[in-house]
Amino acid sequence: QVQLVESGGGVVQPGRSLRLSCAASGFTFSDYTMYWVRQAPGKGLEWVAVISYDGKNRYYADSVKGRFTISRDNSKNSLYLQMNSLRPEDTAVYYCATCTNGVCHFFDSWGQGTLVTVSS
Amino acid sequence: QSALTQPRSVSGSPGQSVTISCTGTSSDVGGYNFVSWYQQHPGKAPKLMIYDVTRRPSGVPDRFSGSQSGNTASLTISGLQAEDEADYYCCSYAGSFTFYVFGTGTEVTVL
Repeated sequence: QVQLVESGGGVVQPGRSLRLSCAASGFTFSDYTMYWVRQAPGKGLEWVAVISYDGKNRYYADSVKGRFTISRDNSKNSLYLQMNSLRPEDTAVYYCATCTNGVCHFFDSWGQGTLVTVSS
Repeated sequence: QSALTQPRSVSGSPGQSVTISCTGTSSDVGGYNFVSWYQQHPGKAPKLMIYDVTRRPSGVPDRFSGSQSGNTASLTISGLQAEDEADYYCCSYAGSFTFYVFGTGTEVTVL
């Protein structure tokens, strides 16, 4: 079955960078759009970024545009999120997610999440 | 893009029904038939419960149902059970630039 495993979270100072990874298995990774969704402690869910199956199209939430970059390596079945110029408000659990149910506008598979803490 | 509006909490006794509303605008909920609902237990990843307003993924009990009227979508849990106690989030597609907007979240308590 679909499995998504995030890694790379940790504590980082404001203004610094961090790169998250998501290892995918159980489905043909190169066929599907992938997403990052985050959740600040005690808060709701927020869509962060999306990348098309071939990596050619990428879109971002206004809150991270210009600072975060989503990418993928289909040869490694991996999704990435490069986070630069981090701010305290970026502190959150970051989930990778996808929908393997054809062309869809929902998230049917989620990873377990990785916690990013931005603090001095 | 503002978050969709949900009640902070709802509660009910076992066996009762509860309904969670999710109010957006004509740019998101009212503009597309792409509302989904997620259940999240503490410390866990969200789980898809309803997609495309009314559709239920395999494995989700038929006690869960979705509907929509104009800019407001709703999730109804019939025959409430103890394991339904969790946070619930709605989500709507909002076009090819904003993409997705989530609701503020609702805590469901089983009394």
